[in-house]
Amino acid sequence: DSGVTQTPKHLITATGQRVTLRCSPRSGDLSVYWYQQSLDQGLQFLIQYYNGEERAKGNILERFSAQQFPDLHSELNLSSLELGDSALYFCASSVSRGSMETQYFGPGTRLLVL
Amino acid sequence: ELKVEQNPLFLSMQEEKNYTIYCNYSTTSDRLYWYRQDPGKSLESLFVLLSNGAVKQEGRLMASLDTKARLSTLHITAAVHDLSATYFCAVGGSSGSARQLTFGSGTQLTVLP
Repeated sequence: DSGVTQTPKHLITATGQRVTLRCSPRSGDLSVYWYQQSLDQGLQFLIQYYNGEERAKGNILERFSAQQFPDLHSELNLSSLELGDSALYFCASSVSRGSMETQYFGPGTRLLVL
Repeated sequence: ELKVEQNPLFLSMQEEKNYTIYCNYSTTSDRLYWYRQDPGKSLESLFVLLSNGAVKQEGRLMASLDTKARLSTLHITAAVHDLSATYFCAVGGSSGSARQLTFGSGTQLTVLP
């Protein structure tokens, strides 16, 4: 158990709908990262938040957005869902110890868009 | 754009044999990671390599980093069935506090009895 929690574990929804994925980082971690894992695209970085502020954006679609709240939990919002959005969405948080920074991954949310 | 290439993508090996997974990356980075993923599960951190010539070992797995060649290797010694999993290398971004990881495609390892 990495200490990162994600809810829900599974989500089944229809095209055009909107969903929210939630992540709680490890205690004390200020950075939260969102990644998408799919068969055709592999593991892709979506977005990073650090202490409530957006720090980096990757291959995140405009239909997707995220935020990090004052208690450091984060939410990833996916809207106007398409079949191709079906994937495993991971949240990770990081510990900074000087130059060493391991990202610890949560269990993931498996999204199926029908 | 940073690209990370792993090979092989699929690896079947007999127990007690040795093999190496290779990870090449396209631009300079100060951090390289190896993760393990079991089917349907999350990613488990195995190694963090921070400098040229870094070598780390844990059990039957040993990882090394050559930053000049932009190459990392994950060596498996005397494989056992429990090592069957998908192994990913990932390269860390080096821009300020943006530390996103760029992953390779993964190597699906199957250890056969």
